[in-house]
Amino acid sequence: DARVTQTPRHKVTEMGQEVTMRCQPILGHNTVFWYRQTMMQGLELLAYFRNRAPLDDSGMPKDRFSAEMPDATLATLKIQPSEPRDSAVYFCASGSTVVNAFTEQFFGPGTRLTVL
Amino acid sequence: AQSVTQPDIHITVSEGASLELRCNYSYGATPYLFWYVQSPGQGLQLLLKYFSGDTLVQGIKGFEAEFKRSQSSFNLRKPSVHWSDAAEYFCAVVDSGNTGKLIFGQGTTLQVKP
Repeated sequence: DARVTQTPRHKVTEMGQEVTMRCQPILGHNTVFWYRQTMMQGLELLAYFRNRAPLDDSGMPKDRFSAEMPDATLATLKIQPSEPRDSAVYFCASGSTVVNAFTEQFFGPGTRLTVL
Repeated sequence: AQSVTQPDIHITVSEGASLELRCNYSYGATPYLFWYVQSPGQGLQLLLKYFSGDTLVQGIKGFEAEFKRSQSSFNLRKPSVHWSDAAEYFCAVVDSGNTGKLIFGQGTTLQVKP
């Protein structure tokens, strides 16, 4: 049963610390998305990659957030330094996208981040 | 710009009653539409999708949705709700830029009364 995995599932940290969240997309999927979910803003797209190349990261605060795909099986989202307002659930999703054709996005279980 | 509107933020239904969750989209061409469900503390799970063809699509857990182009709607239905259906439901449309990026609605929280 193929699924997206995310680690850690929960993270509590202090303001100013670096946080790294990891995602393993479904094998064979070429598109990876990072979302943030909060009560106030709902689901926000932070960044996404196709074939490991970043397509759009306009949803991320550039000064503190960074997203990478070091290889096809790993996507990372890093926050440095973290702030209390970054507290949220961060979801990774993967899908298969080719020109004018795509599958649905499959979501991971999320990383619940609390910044004190 | 594309958008998805879910007019109902909260809905409460009695167990066994029928359910309809509304979704309206703004999109120029034929949209690719999805309904996802999120149980508390969980990720989003795909219920069903519409890409083309039959406008009435069947999904998992007994859900169905009907695509109505004339009304720009993709409403989710279930004939008899179970207590385990209590969750948040999201409607989404694929972005017109052919990136696979999804535009989500704000979600509808479903409460089921015993």
